[in-house]
Amino acid sequence: SAVISQKPSRDICQRGTSLTIQCQVDSQVTMMFWYRQQPGQSLTLIATANQGSEATYESGFVIDKFPISRPNLTFSTLTVSNMSPEDSSIYLCSVVPTGQGDIQYFGAGTRLSVL
Amino acid sequence: GQQLNQSPQSMFIQEGEDVSMNCTSSSIFNTWLWYKQDPGEGPVLLIALYKAGELTSNGRLTAQFGITRKDSFLNISASIPSDVGIYFCAGQPTGNQFYFGTGTSLTVIP
Repeated sequence: SAVISQKPSRDICQRGTSLTIQCQVDSQVTMMFWYRQQPGQSLTLIATANQGSEATYESGFVIDKFPISRPNLTFSTLTVSNMSPEDSSIYLCSVVPTGQGDIQYFGAGTRLSVL
Repeated sequence: GQQLNQSPQSMFIQEGEDVSMNCTSSSIFNTWLWYKQDPGEGPVLLIALYKAGELTSNGRLTAQFGITRKDSFLNISASIPSDVGIYFCAGQPTGNQFYFGTGTSLTVIP
């Protein structure tokens, strides 16, 4: 398994501002993903964070709105830019540990409220 | 992206009862995963399945990889109050993409 630390656990932000969420893993992982989970809904994949290169975004998500960095094999950040109330959601980091290509583990999530 | 159909959407059961839920897909999957999510937390992996027909248990939980490879089932026996939460299935066809079910909300009445 993998121990995932996600920060902040929650935040309340003003419209128009940006928030950067951090995801730190205790071991090297093959894949890192960012998901959004709106209240009472399932998980929607935002993007795959690629180490040393641009993230791969899913349909409906763009780099200008959700810039992602992954400088090494254990750390990634997701920024929610120019926030609006519609961005209020839970943002989740997940990882696939090296050698476990078919298992995905999640962080505790970041609860974001935008006023 | 693809979303898996999970049913039932919600369940209200008495403590001690057994629970069954399932997940179906229009595509063949190579891996099925079952997660539980408590309020304010991220999903926690319960069971992983890798082969068609596989039956795997984790305590009172048992999951099966459907023979058609397009479905999976999760059973909880003798439910207890701490089983309350949302259960998600997830499937992996090929590569690294995972697809998630719509979730089953479980309420256990003491």
